[in-house]
Amino acid sequence: EVQVVESGGGLVQPGGSLRLSCAVSGTSATTYWVDWVRQAPGKGLVWVSRIHSDGRFAKYADSVKGRFTISRDNAKNPVYLQMDSLRAEDTAVYYCSILPPGDWGQGTLVTVSS
Amino acid sequence: QAVLTQEPSLTVSPGGTVTLTCGSNTGAVTSGHYPYWFQQKPGQAPRTLIYDTTFKHSWTPARFSGSLIGDKAALTLSGAQPEDEADYYCMFVYGGLVVFGGGTKLTVL
Repeated sequence: EVQVVESGGGLVQPGGSLRLSCAVSGTSATTYWVDWVRQAPGKGLVWVSRIHSDGRFAKYADSVKGRFTISRDNAKNPVYLQMDSLRAEDTAVYYCSILPPGDWGQGTLVTVSS
Repeated sequence: QAVLTQEPSLTVSPGGTVTLTCGSNTGAVTSGHYPYWFQQKPGQAPRTLIYDTTFKHSWTPARFSGSLIGDKAALTLSGAQPEDEADYYCMFVYGGLVVFGGGTKLTVL
């Protein structure tokens, strides 16, 4: 059974930083993408970033480019999302997902507020 | 950046059939966009129903199916159940970038 577990969320002041982790286990897929998707309170799903399972080919949404960095050392290590220069509009539940076929974690809440 | 358009809300009767669609402002949707469909219930994480246009996840009920209809991606629910009431999101991949639709609120009534 595939397990996806996010961690690292919390309360941070505007301009601050936070690092989220996504641990993946149990997948038999040899290649896949690890995506970060966020959902602000009462809003829809918004894609943030993705990285290939081998740790290469990172992609970012325009809204976070230059502020967020996704990384992974190798397929056995967690995927990290380093979030810098955080803004109030970054407040959301951040989900990690494995695509394909689409296994999701339960999410971690990030609140940016003074 | 592409914008995906979904019906904001739909209502289906128990046991009925409904089709949710997802179109793109960039043109016709193809299998090359790897269409995904997700279901999300209040307070829960999203759950993948369909990936790569037609493929079902291991937990996807048989009553859900994915397809391309005209120039859109489609999710068809045949034999709606009360537990299918939820928000449904489509997602496409464009040259490595990912875009979500705004979601459809499905009511089973």
